Amino acid sequence: DSGVTQTPKHLITATGQRVTLRCSPRSGDLSVYWYQQSLDQGLQFLIQYYNGEERAKGNILERFSAQQFPDLHSELNLSSLELGDSALYFCASSVAATGQNTEAFFGQGTRLTVV
Amino acid sequence: GDSVTQMEGPVTLSEEAFLTINCTYTATGYPSLFWYVQYPGEGLQLLLKATKADDKGSNKGFEATYRKETTSFHLEKGSVQVSDSAVYFCALSPISSGSARQLTFGSGTQLTVLP
Repeated sequence: DSGVTQTPKHLITATGQRVTLRCSPRSGDLSVYWYQQSLDQGLQFLIQYYNGEERAKGNILERFSAQQFPDLHSELNLSSLELGDSALYFCASSVAATGQNTEAFFGQGTRLTVV
Repeated sequence: GDSVTQMEGPVTLSEEAFLTINCTYTATGYPSLFWYVQYPGEGLQLLLKATKADDKGSNKGFEATYRKETTSFHLEKGSVQVSDSAVYFCALSPISSGSARQLTFGSGTQLTVLP
């Protein structure tokens, strides 16, 4: 158990809908990262938050947004869903935002299926 | 941009066989390099890492050496066990990004070890 909790584990929704994925980082970790794992794109970095502020952005679509709350949990919002958004979404957390000795711990992921 | 290319799978070995999974990378500067493992139904776990050239990362009998001259970080294990069956991902983190774990992943290699 990595200590990173993601809910829900599975989500099935229809095209055009909006969903929210939730992540609770390990106790004491200030940085949260979101990744998407899909069959065609592989594992891609989406976005990072550190202590409530956006820190880095990767290949995140404009239809997607994220935030980190004062209690440090994070939510990834996916809207106007398309079939191609079906994927496993991982959250990871680390103590720091920078530093090459910072280890990121991954949650078990939320599997999103868009039908 | 940065990229990671790793050996296509799946790889099937008998127990106690020698394992090599090739990984090469393209990046500017001196990235940090990682191997992550994903067991069925679980999130990613850091297996080992190396943060500078000629560093050797090791864990649970697995080893990988950061070779700058060949831009490689091949994963090896002398004697695999059935419990090593999983998907293995090579990844890099650019030192200049300011984000500790904005990871670029390879496509993953499925390893199956038969008893």
